Amino acid sequence: DAKTTQPPSMDCAEGRAANLPCNHSTISGNEYVYWYRQIHSQGPQYIIHGLKNNETNEMASLIITEDRKSSTLILPHATLRDTAVYYCIVTTTGTASKLTFGTGTRLQVTL
Amino acid sequence: IAGITQAPTSQILAAGRRMTLRCTQDMRHNAMYWYRQDLGLGLRLIHYSNTAGTTGKGEVPDGYSVSRANTDDFPLTLASAVPSQTSVYFCASSDSSAGVGEQFFGPGTRLTVL
Repeated sequence: DAKTTQPPSMDCAEGRAANLPCNHSTISGNEYVYWYRQIHSQGPQYIIHGLKNNETNEMASLIITEDRKSSTLILPHATLRDTAVYYCIVTTTGTASKLTFGTGTRLQVTL
Repeated sequence: IAGITQAPTSQILAAGRRMTLRCTQDMRHNAMYWYRQDLGLGLRLIHYSNTAGTTGKGEVPDGYSVSRANTDDFPLTLASAVPSQTSVYFCASSDSSAGVGEQFFGPGTRLTVL
């Protein structure tokens, strides 16, 4: 699986958009970009995933560059409950997709 | 409520003792996984199972064994615990037949080996 690079930490004011970047320059054609988050020692929670098109769901939006070498997770209106560690993961889907977690980005949402 | 349960929630164990961490899911997912998370680090895959009756090794399998006798249960066994196995253990499952690969995680088991 391709390796990802994320900033170790970011701050965001409550109510503002949080834009979390991820570099995955070695991504291959059949690999998807997944985002998970982990709130204070709980089990990780799936947020969103995509292959090459931008994706949006009730939690977030995922913007993938045309060359697929980087992506951005967007939380449109961050709240204090969005404070968590966010993991960007690249992997194939299908049989037992194995996730490789890095150290992620610790997002601190402040008043 | 459908999901994944893990037991125990936490455990303190003497080195050399045998321990089995339990994981049960009621979503009929074919794939299941065990991860460990050490303080300040991301999760690392220990073992996984594509479907009942099959298992595979992850990134850090040494010292651990698993079995998958049925779809719902995926126990993780430490045959002889060592202090370096002190960690938080997360079980997860996914419906890989759907092609999405989204994994659902349990609440974790905090294990301390003394």
